[in-house]
Amino acid sequence: DAGVTQSPTHLIKTRGQQVTLRCSPISGHKSVSWYQQVLGQGPQFIFQYYEKEERGRGNFPDRFSARQFPNYSSELNVNALLLGDSALYLCASSLGQTSGLSHGYTFGSGTRLTVV
Amino acid sequence: LAKTTQPISMDSYEGQEVNITCSHNNIATNDYITWYQQFPSQGPRFIIQGYKTKVTNEVASLFIPADRKSSTLSLPRVSLSDTAVYYCLVGDDVGGATNKLIFGTGTLLAVQP
Repeated sequence: DAGVTQSPTHLIKTRGQQVTLRCSPISGHKSVSWYQQVLGQGPQFIFQYYEKEERGRGNFPDRFSARQFPNYSSELNVNALLLGDSALYLCASSLGQTSGLSHGYTFGSGTRLTVV
Repeated sequence: LAKTTQPISMDSYEGQEVNITCSHNNIATNDYITWYQQFPSQGPRFIIQGYKTKVTNEVASLFIPADRKSSTLSLPRVSLSDTAVYYCLVGDDVGGATNKLIFGTGTLLAVQP
């Protein structure tokens, strides 16, 4: 079975540009969460989507937006990129809105975004 | 959500048992304790989760004292491939309103030959 897949794996953008990152959850998983991980720090929660609706939002500016499609895949969009947006963007999927005992969230390998 | 405190780094040698302790003094009654492992340029991987006493699976054990204000992740006979960052998280993870994971800075475990 395929795990959580993210694309692209690496990306270089210029300040002010816009970027779209994509995530396909594990088959059967209906929840997708997005995290930003800056070098040397733990992942920080950005969004959670469940059944195509936003169910949680972290402390990120409105430049960050996301959506979930009927097939439960998701896109994360970041507008007006800043140098500080350079990070590893992680997608996690889970069966339901919460991970449930003993299952946890399954993370993808992330998209490495570099803003220059 | 409860804040966690872990050592920034630990060193060990192959074949040793490693214990990583996490403090979570403000843990709530409904909170569970979850540990994740992360290798460079990969997403975190779920290791183990528990509520109280001891939980064991095929890769690790989790020890939680009665007051639940701390927990210890135990890795038996580590190998070089166990070199990674280990995160301790606490939160209401079963049917609750919480739907996000809060990661701290984690513990970098370096296993030497």
